[in-house]
Amino acid sequence: AQSVTQLGSHVSVSEGALVLLRCNYSSSVPPYLFWYVQYPNQGLQLLLKYTTGATLVKGINGFEAEFKKSETSFHLTKPSAHMSDAAEYFCAVSGSGAGSYQLTFGKGTKLSVIP
Amino acid sequence: DAGVTQSPTHLIKTRGQHVTLRCSPISGHKSVSWYQQVLGQGPQFIFQYYEKEERGRGNFPDRFSARQFPNYSSELNVNALLLGDSALYLCASSLGPYPSGANVLTFGAGSRLTVL
Repeated sequence: AQSVTQLGSHVSVSEGALVLLRCNYSSSVPPYLFWYVQYPNQGLQLLLKYTTGATLVKGINGFEAEFKKSETSFHLTKPSAHMSDAAEYFCAVSGSGAGSYQLTFGKGTKLSVIP
Repeated sequence: DAGVTQSPTHLIKTRGQHVTLRCSPISGHKSVSWYQQVLGQGPQFIFQYYEKEERGRGNFPDRFSARQFPNYSSELNVNALLLGDSALYLCASSLGPYPSGANVLTFGAGSRLTVL
């Protein structure tokens, strides 16, 4: 079974400041990890994913995340926030094999960017 | 290419009624998954269908059912609606059945159901 905990339901940053959204996971098997973004009244868009290999993964719009197995974390960062980054962000985990049909999502973190 | 399309985008029902939501996957995708997103929460897995067979079911009551058609489109049906069924219902498609690096879920914009 898998679970995801996102620390902070709401994060506010100033435009140009560092964005850090936290995600911790629990998985009984080697995980696949994902970050999705949801803009108002829209579906989910994939930002980046970790499956195997390099633990630092880069995604779209300047976002990146680092898989840390020892800390069971997959935090999302962006060096400089832009107004267009204001949205809700979801971390998700799945198992890594047959029978792992579903994504398990965290509750989400709403990012506000202050001009 | 068209993305995942869902219909209707919004609908209002009353308690006890039945609802059918529809989803067309990306061309070439054979897997369709359904998720329920209650306001303020993350999406929760309802069903996954691959090659017209149910491959996974989440922790939802039997009032929820789904099917996948030969063209890989899908319907989600909910009977005897409750107030708690009010949510955004998301459909996602993928090439194969298992989320992975090569098999990423692509989501539609959702169908927003309000139950009064």
